[in-house]
Amino acid sequence: AQSVTQPDIHITVSEGASLELRCNYSYGATPYLFWYVQSPGQGLQLLLKYFSGDTLVQGIKGFEAEFKRSQSSFNLRKPSVHWSDAAEYFCAVGAPNSGYALNFGKGTSLLVTP
Amino acid sequence: DTEVTQTPKHLVMGMTNKKSLKCEQHMGHRAMYWYKQKAKKPPELMFVYSYEKLSINESVPSRFSPECPNSSLLNLHLHALQPEDSALYLCASSPGRNPINSPLHFGNGTRLTVT
Repeated sequence: AQSVTQPDIHITVSEGASLELRCNYSYGATPYLFWYVQSPGQGLQLLLKYFSGDTLVQGIKGFEAEFKRSQSSFNLRKPSVHWSDAAEYFCAVGAPNSGYALNFGKGTSLLVTP
Repeated sequence: DTEVTQTPKHLVMGMTNKKSLKCEQHMGHRAMYWYKQKAKKPPELMFVYSYEKLSINESVPSRFSPECPNSSLLNLHLHALQPEDSALYLCASSPGRNPINSPLHFGNGTRLTVT
C-alpha cells in the first residue's frame, strides 16, 4: 500500500522568506500526489496535484511542488511566504489499487513570524 | 466560501443521544466522502459514496451510519458514541472517483464533542 511521510511536524519561517515543506512517498509505481492546506477551523483546500508529465507543478496561492522519482519526494515550495500562509499543510498520495482513496501524511504546521 | 456545506458547525451530544450530521453540495459531484480528523492529526477516511452507493467503508464502527438520500446530500447518523469519537468530521465531494481529474472539495466540518 502507498504511504506518505512528512518529516517536519512544525516549521517556522519569517514573512517574505522562502519555504520548502518536505514530503516523501512510498509506492511501487508513480502515485497520484497532492498537497492540501488547512487553516484553523476550516476544511482542506487543494493546492496542487501531480500524476505525470512536467515534474514541476504550479498550484494556487503561489505554491509549486517538484516531483523527484529518484528521491521519492514531492516537496512543496513558495518563494516568499505571507502571514496568511500560516496553516497546516498535508501531503497526500492516492493510487488506483486503493480505489483512489487518499492517504494523508501527518501534516506540517507552518508558523509565519513578522 | 466552501461549496460543500456542513451542518451543524458544532455539536455536543451525550453518549446516549442520537444525532445526525448533514452535508450538501450542488456542484453535480457524484462521489461524496466522510472523513474524521482528530486534533493535530490528518483526516482519516470513513466512508465513500459513488453514485449514491456506498463503495468504501473503512471498518468504521456501526455507531456511525452513513446515508446518501440523493446525489446532493450525505448524512452521518450517530448513535451511542464514545468520548473518543470527539473530532472534526469533514465531508468532501468530487466529480468522480479519480482524484487527478476529480479533486476533493472539502466542507468546513462539524466539530463534534461527545460528553
